[in-house]
Amino acid sequence: NAGVMQNPRHLVRRRGQEARLRCSPMKGHSHVYWYRQLPEEGLKFMVYLQKENIIDESGMPKERFSAEFPKEGPSILRIQQVVRGDSAAYFCASSPPSQNEQFFGPGTRLTVL
Amino acid sequence: GNSVTQMEGPVTLSEEAFLTINCTYTATGYPSLFWYVQYPGEGLQLLLKATKADDKGSNKGFEATYRKETTSFHLEKGSVQVSDSAVYFCALLPSGNTGKLIFGQGTTLQVKP
Repeated sequence: NAGVMQNPRHLVRRRGQEARLRCSPMKGHSHVYWYRQLPEEGLKFMVYLQKENIIDESGMPKERFSAEFPKEGPSILRIQQVVRGDSAAYFCASSPPSQNEQFFGPGTRLTVL
Repeated sequence: GNSVTQMEGPVTLSEEAFLTINCTYTATGYPSLFWYVQYPGEGLQLLLKATKADDKGSNKGFEATYRKETTSFHLEKGSVQVSDSAVYFCALLPSGNTGKLIFGQGTTLQVKP
């Protein structure tokens, strides 16, 4: 059973461009979570999704950030008009229904020039 | 609100030394508690967990006991190895399984031969 997959592993964008981060959960996992890790800090919750539904987006910035988890395909975290402060590692995690253990992917390291 | 506080690092130990990384939390109700480990350039791996008071989580020689009276979940290992060098994160999942893991800021452990 493959683990949580994230791609790309590294992403470089210039200010004003869009960044798309992809996450494929483990097989059988219908819950996806996104976290952001700023340099020298712990992870901060961004959003919790189930298939086609956003359950909790209380950690998402109100502007420029969006997330989806369609019926088919990976979950996408989209950042429009990136700024230097968006540079961070973005981690995706997944879990099966009714289980509190989250399994993390290797992360996408976004650098905004 | 919910929060996690870890001892600041880095913690530097010699091989075979005893390890303690302190973690205290603030939460309402009965959260689940976790320790995650992050090796350089990688994602987070679940190290151990405890879901109710007085539970002891253990894995790979690491242990932590859920102490509700002191709101603590300190990580311990009797004899560390160089390969244990990593960043360790304490985290809580609020009761009700909202999916929103709350992380401490992380503690870097360096083990020298």
